[in-house]
Amino acid sequence: ETGVTQSPTHLIKTRGQQVTLRCSSQSGHNTVSWYQQALGQGPQFIFQYYREEENGRGNFPPRFSGLQFPNYSSELNVNALELDDSALYLCASSPVPGQSYEQYFGPGTRLTVT
Amino acid sequence: AQSVTQPDIHITVSEGASLELRCNYSYGATPYLFWYVQSPGQGLQLLLKYFSGDTLVQGIKGFEAEFKRSQSSFNLRKPSVHWSDAAEYFCAVGAASGTYKYIFGTGTRLKVLA
Repeated sequence: ETGVTQSPTHLIKTRGQQVTLRCSSQSGHNTVSWYQQALGQGPQFIFQYYREEENGRGNFPPRFSGLQFPNYSSELNVNALELDDSALYLCASSPVPGQSYEQYFGPGTRLTVT
Repeated sequence: AQSVTQPDIHITVSEGASLELRCNYSYGATPYLFWYVQSPGQGLQLLLKYFSGDTLVQGIKGFEAEFKRSQSSFNLRKPSVHWSDAAEYFCAVGAASGTYKYIFGTGTRLKVLA
């Protein structure tokens, strides 16, 4: 059974640029959640995708957007990057919402904005 | 509002000593509770979880946690710490109102003295 994978592992962007992060969910999981973990903080919920639709959103501006594909993989897009967007971005997958209360995390993508 | 508090930002223990990491939560319903460990530059590894039943739960690496509803706590314990336990530990509550998501505490960084 393949776990949650994320790409790239690290990347460096300049303020104002746009970035796309990718996540492949664990086999059999059709729900993907994204979290932002700033340095020295706990992860914070960005949004969740289920059946290719946004299924809830945390307190993040619209320049954070996402997609989910028919194979349940997902992308997180951030436009107009700001220095404060520098963080570890974690993807988590889970079965049908409500079927399991455990989310399975990927290794994360470390984004640095200069 | 739903929240998780980890009162100790840093804890230092000697190798072989016992460990207790504190976690308090605020949640209106029966919580789903988790402890994760994160090594530097790494993603999150699940140590243990509580959904229901026995309030003392066993996890990996010799960790255990006790759910105390009256105190809204879910403290993590280990009887004898190993140098490899040095890492950051996060407590999380699974919030089932609306979109199911995790709410994390700010973490406790554990240092182990040889």
